[in-house]
Amino acid sequence: EAQVTQNPRYLITVTGKKLTVTCSQNMNHEYMSWYRQDPGLGLRQIYYSMNVEVTDKGDVPEGYKVSRKEKRNFPLILESPSPNQTSLYFCASRISSYNEQFFGPGTRLTVL
Amino acid sequence: TQLLEQSPQFLSIQEGENLTVYCNSSSVFSSLQWYRQEPGEGPVLLVTVVTGGEVKKLKRLTFQFGDARKDSSLHITAAQTGDTGLYLCAGLANAGGTSYGKLTFGQGTILTVHP
Repeated sequence: EAQVTQNPRYLITVTGKKLTVTCSQNMNHEYMSWYRQDPGLGLRQIYYSMNVEVTDKGDVPEGYKVSRKEKRNFPLILESPSPNQTSLYFCASRISSYNEQFFGPGTRLTVL
Repeated sequence: TQLLEQSPQFLSIQEGENLTVYCNSSSVFSSLQWYRQEPGEGPVLLVTVVTGGEVKKLKRLTFQFGDARKDSSLHITAAQTGDTGLYLCAGLANAGGTSYGKLTFGQGTILTVHP
């Protein structure tokens, strides 16, 4: 089944404890993105990647890191999480700029 | 930074009523997508409009892209309880520069259709 998977789905952590949210797609898509969703703000892009080793900042990249060492995986790294990073995070992929974007199921992160 | 203003933010209507959701921007987009999101899930694409003035229909849903490709609307005819959900518009930046490939989302419209 074609899909985008994210892990974990739920995470409660404390300020400053490094964490990684994994994202994997099995559709051989070139483009992958990370978004955060907050009430009243919609989806805001954190980082995106157009191919392996090619990444660029989105609208809200501060406090986040990404890597794209292989086509299928696009992990999101929070080196030192803070409470303002409490949010619902979505990974997404698409085959090209103009095609449908497929979203993962989301990761609900709480930073205490 | 390109912005998409989506309105209204909340919409509560009775089954059978019609409704329209708007997405507006001062920027030109190469295409515009509409998504629907259910609680606990990621957004799912409903439609993509590419050409200025384009109108697409999906059963009771009608999507329109403005002539100048700066705005779009979603119209639902005779809403049903199953239409309840979060609707999001997303504009794709024009090609060129580092903004290529970036989708800008509106704030979303939470639609509740009551029986």
